[in-house]
Amino acid sequence: EAQVTQNPRYLITVTGKKLTVTCSQNMNHEYMSWYRQDPGLGLRQIYYSMNVEVTDKGDVPEGYKVSRKEKRNFPLILESPSPNQTSLYFCASSFFSGANVLTFGAGSRLTVL
Amino acid sequence: ELKVEQNPLFLSMQEGKNYTIYCNYSTTSDRLYWYRQDPGKSLESLFVLLSNGAVKQEGRLMASLDTKARLSTLHITAAVHDLSATYFCAVANQAGTALIFGKGTTLSVSS
Repeated sequence: EAQVTQNPRYLITVTGKKLTVTCSQNMNHEYMSWYRQDPGLGLRQIYYSMNVEVTDKGDVPEGYKVSRKEKRNFPLILESPSPNQTSLYFCASSFFSGANVLTFGAGSRLTVL
Repeated sequence: ELKVEQNPLFLSMQEGKNYTIYCNYSTTSDRLYWYRQDPGKSLESLFVLLSNGAVKQEGRLMASLDTKARLSTLHITAAVHDLSATYFCAVANQAGTALIFGKGTTLSVSS
């Protein structure tokens, strides 16, 4: 089944403890992106990747890192999480070059205490 | 800076009646998308609108695009409970690196 898989789906952590949210797609998509969803703010892009080894900042990149060493994987790294990073995170990918019809993962709900 | 505004943000609908959601965007774009999100779930693509005057229909939902007015509408015909969800419109930025989302419209259908 064609899909975007995120892990973990739910995580409660403490301030400063490094964590990684993994994202993997099995559709051979070139474009991948991370969004965060917060009440009243909609979805905001954190980082995106147009292809392997090509990543760039979105609208809200502070406190996050990404890497794209393989086409299928696009992990989101929080080096030192803070409570303002408590959010619902979505990974998405697109077959077409650049942001187009996005296929979203199931979401990862992160709570930072 | 591209901004996308939806209204209303909340809509309480009665079964059987018709309603319209509006999506305005601030700068020129050639691609507009509608997504649906059920509570606690991910986003599901509903429509892709690629040109001025484009109209797409699926069941009780019909989306249209007016690029000159920078406006898309999502029309709901004879609302049913299954349509209760949050609907997002999104517009591609000029660089093609992101979809910019509106804040979403939460629909609630009651009998």
